[in-house]
Amino acid sequence: AQKITQTQPGMFVQEKEAVTLDCTYDTSDQSYGLFWYKQPSSGEMIFLIYQGSYDEQNATEGRYSLNFQKARKSANLVISASQLGDSAMYFCAMREVNGNQFYFGTGTSLTVIP
Amino acid sequence: DAGVIQSPRHEVTEMGQEVTLRCKPISGHDYLFWYRQTMMRGLELLIYFNNNVPIDDSGMPEDRFSAKMPNASFSTLKIQPSEPRDSAVYFCASGPGKSNTQYFGPGTRLTVL
Repeated sequence: AQKITQTQPGMFVQEKEAVTLDCTYDTSDQSYGLFWYKQPSSGEMIFLIYQGSYDEQNATEGRYSLNFQKARKSANLVISASQLGDSAMYFCAMREVNGNQFYFGTGTSLTVIP
Repeated sequence: DAGVIQSPRHEVTEMGQEVTLRCKPISGHDYLFWYRQTMMRGLELLIYFNNNVPIDDSGMPEDRFSAKMPNASFSTLKIQPSEPRDSAVYFCASGPGKSNTQYFGPGTRLTVL
């Protein structure tokens, strides 16, 4: 089974609108971390946001927030007020602390339309 | 603060040649990761180190690939002999153990002709 599933290969959003990028994960560990990374066309991988499995509140970093639903095993990324510079690939990732394993999803390509 | 440094940024070589990719992690980070990214296979974790010790190399594709971390500030990924199917972008990432976050280098784009 896939550890990280990103079901949206491509998404479009109007500039200034909010967009949600989906991510579901599969783990039997109680302790894990969830991450989102951005990869613009220039190729670098940029860390955006982190959520720990024991964190009660959803993580937020500026215009990024992580909608963490533990029972559903989902960790969706919400980008508010989209900007043209948000056009990029977005990767969801997970670290299983006990097994010390790291997994990345296949990514979602986001295009912001002016 | 300097981020993760990788060299070279671009490498073009011929099949059969030895290729060495280099990485300098962020100072103080005790985890170091090597990834490979291709269009076909996405982002693959090849190997990672904790305190300079290889922890999991199950992602290393075959014996042609080897990685070392002789000290806390330097790691290499070597391919010998290289093959055209090794063409990819190779990322090095480092992270402090407690935060779980990985910070990526700019990547090395390898082309094997």
